[in-house]
Amino acid sequence: GAVVSQHPSRVICKSGTSVKIECRSLDFQATTMFWYRQFPKQSLMLMATSNEGSKATYEQGVEKDKFLINHASLTLSTLTVTSAHPEDSSFYICSARDTGTTEAFFGQGTRLTVV
Amino acid sequence: KQEVTQIPAALSVPEGENLVLNCSFTDSAIYNLQWFRQDPGKGLTSLLLIQSSQREQTSGRLNASLDKSSGRSTLYIAASQPGDSATYLCAVSIDDMRFGAGTRLTVKP
Repeated sequence: GAVVSQHPSRVICKSGTSVKIECRSLDFQATTMFWYRQFPKQSLMLMATSNEGSKATYEQGVEKDKFLINHASLTLSTLTVTSAHPEDSSFYICSARDTGTTEAFFGQGTRLTVV
Repeated sequence: KQEVTQIPAALSVPEGENLVLNCSFTDSAIYNLQWFRQDPGKGLTSLLLIQSSQREQTSGRLNASLDKSSGRSTLYIAASQPGDSATYLCAVSIDDMRFGAGTRLTVKP
């Protein structure tokens, strides 16, 4: 199947700093990427959907100024957590959907810890 | 907005037992439904993908069915093993992809 690479897999940052997470589709062009957040013992909650070249569509309750999503190319989307706080500590995972298909492929996830 | 529900939330069975996990969704106009496995602290492992035009998919001891009209899917695991212990998630795709809360499965030796 298609491969989605997410980086970094783990990151620890200080409160107030910003963290960027990258999601790359390695062998296909992803017109649509999804970003999810998962708190301990909870399911994956969709944060936003991004289409290449367009602004991301955020789910209700997700602050777009805090979670900046850029999807400037067909193979790369980034999620930047700005002014991170301990409550932003979570598992973030991206998925990408190939042009003209309905199956989405997932990255390995990023565990963010804000201290 | 699509809502995905999984029942039961947790399940504990002795090794060797056959079991069924359930997933229901509110909007039947889906592209596909996918079952995943997630081990503690890890990412997702895709198990089975059922396209909207399909009724079931099989892989080894796993069989997933889809009844779009009733908004239901089941994941059948045959002859369960301790290594099957994990959280099982179903996800439904329309324009976006939404997950159920998962079923935490424990298979006891």
